Amino acid sequence: NAGVMQNPRHLVRRRGQEARLRCSPMKGHSHVYWYRQLPEEGLKFMVYLQKENIIDESGMPKERFSAEFPKEGPSILRIQQVVRGDSAAYFCASSPPDATNEKLFFGSGTQLSVL
Amino acid sequence: LAKTTQPISMDSYEGQEVNITCSHNNIATNDYITWYQQFPSQGPRFIIQGYKTKVTNEVASLFIPADRKSSTLSLPRVSLSDTAVYYCLVGGGGTDKLIFGTGTRLQVFP
Repeated sequence: NAGVMQNPRHLVRRRGQEARLRCSPMKGHSHVYWYRQLPEEGLKFMVYLQKENIIDESGMPKERFSAEFPKEGPSILRIQQVVRGDSAAYFCASSPPDATNEKLFFGSGTQLSVL
Repeated sequence: LAKTTQPISMDSYEGQEVNITCSHNNIATNDYITWYQQFPSQGPRFIIQGYKTKVTNEVASLFIPADRKSSTLSLPRVSLSDTAVYYCLVGGGGTDKLIFGTGTRLQVFP
C-alpha cells in the first residue's frame, strides 16, 4: 500500500510563474490536508479538502493560492505569480473517511524555490 | 482549538530515556493527543496517540494525567537516529484541522 505521494519533490520557479504541487493520498483516503513549512519553523495549516469539497481554507492566503481535490486524480495546490516569499516546503497529508480521531499520513513534501 | 506548549529543544545522550512534556490546558472532551516525529526534509511521521492514561507501542509511551491538561512522550533508550523534531498535537472530531506548534527539537549525542 503506497503512502502519500507528492510530486515534484523539488520545484524551481521564477518570480511571476505558476507552481502546481500534486498530492495523491493513500489508497482509500478521502481527506487531504496541505501544510507549509518555512526553514526552522513548524508546519502551518493551509487547507483541508475532501473529495470535490473545500472544508477549511482558513490558512490559505487570500490571493494567488488555490487548492482542489477532484473526484478523480490527485489534489492540486496551485500558486499563481509566485514570489520569493512562497519558497518553502509544502506537505500534503491524508486520512481515511471514517476517522474519528485525527491521524494523518504525510508525504515527503515538495520543496518550492522561487528565484 | 486547543493550543499546545512544549519545550523548544532538548539534549540527550544515547541510551538515555527522554521525556518530552506538552501542555494543552484548553483540551476539549473529544480531543485526542497525537505526537509526530519529523526528520529534516521529510514529512512528519505519526508516533503515538492517546486519549487518557497510558499508551505504549513499539516506539514510545504516552502518559496522560487524569485532567488531560498535559501529556508526556517517553522515548526509551534513545539513539542518534532519534534526533528529530517532535510535535504534540491536540484535536479530533473528524473535521478538525490539526495545528502544529513549533515542536521540540531533540538532539541526541553519542
